Amino acid sequence: QLQLQESGPGLVKPSETLSLTCTVSGGSISSSIYYWGWIRQPPGKGLEWIGSIYFSGSTFYNPSLKSRVTISVDTSKNQFSLKLSSVTAADTAVYYCARRQRYTNAFDPWGQGTLVTVSS
Amino acid sequence: QSALTQPPSVSGSPGQSVTISCTGTSSDVGSYNRVSWYQQPPGTAPKLMIYEVSNRPSGVPDRFSGSKSGNTASLTISGLQAEDEADYYCSSYTSSSTLLFGGGTKLTVL
Repeated sequence: QLQLQESGPGLVKPSETLSLTCTVSGGSISSSIYYWGWIRQPPGKGLEWIGSIYFSGSTFYNPSLKSRVTISVDTSKNQFSLKLSSVTAADTAVYYCARRQRYTNAFDPWGQGTLVTVSS
Repeated sequence: QSALTQPPSVSGSPGQSVTISCTGTSSDVGSYNRVSWYQQPPGTAPKLMIYEVSNRPSGVPDRFSGSKSGNTASLTISGLQAEDEADYYCSSYTSSSTLLFGGGTKLTVL
């Protein structure tokens, strides 16, 4: 069964760039019917869609984060990555990666999530 | 873009039914049947419960059902069980090719 696993630093300093990678196992990231996405959840708050990427490299970003976000894909490693620049304490959150069905736009499955804290 | 509107909390006793609403606009919920619902017990990742307004993934109990009318989608949980206690989130595709989540609803089983 398909599994996703987030990895990256748990602590990032203000003004620096947050970098996370999602490794996909049990299936190919190059499937034509799926996008791959990042979603975050600040402590005690709701979910926020960050963006999605297709295996070809086409990207879709949340307009509120677009100026700071870059999502990329490495099909040879079956991975996709998130970079969020100029972070502040407001970017402290659990970051999830998930597979998004291209036509239903539903996210399933999700990774377990990784907490990233922005602090000096 | 603003988050979809959900009630902060709902509650019900075991065996009862509860409904959680998710209100958007004509640019998202009202225009597309690409509404999903997710269940998130404390400390865990969200789990897909409903997609395309009313479809259940394999393994989701038929006690969970979804519907939509105009700009409002709804999730109904019938025959409440203690294990249903969790946060629930809706999401919708938008006319800007983006995705929106609702603010979340905490379900308490009394």
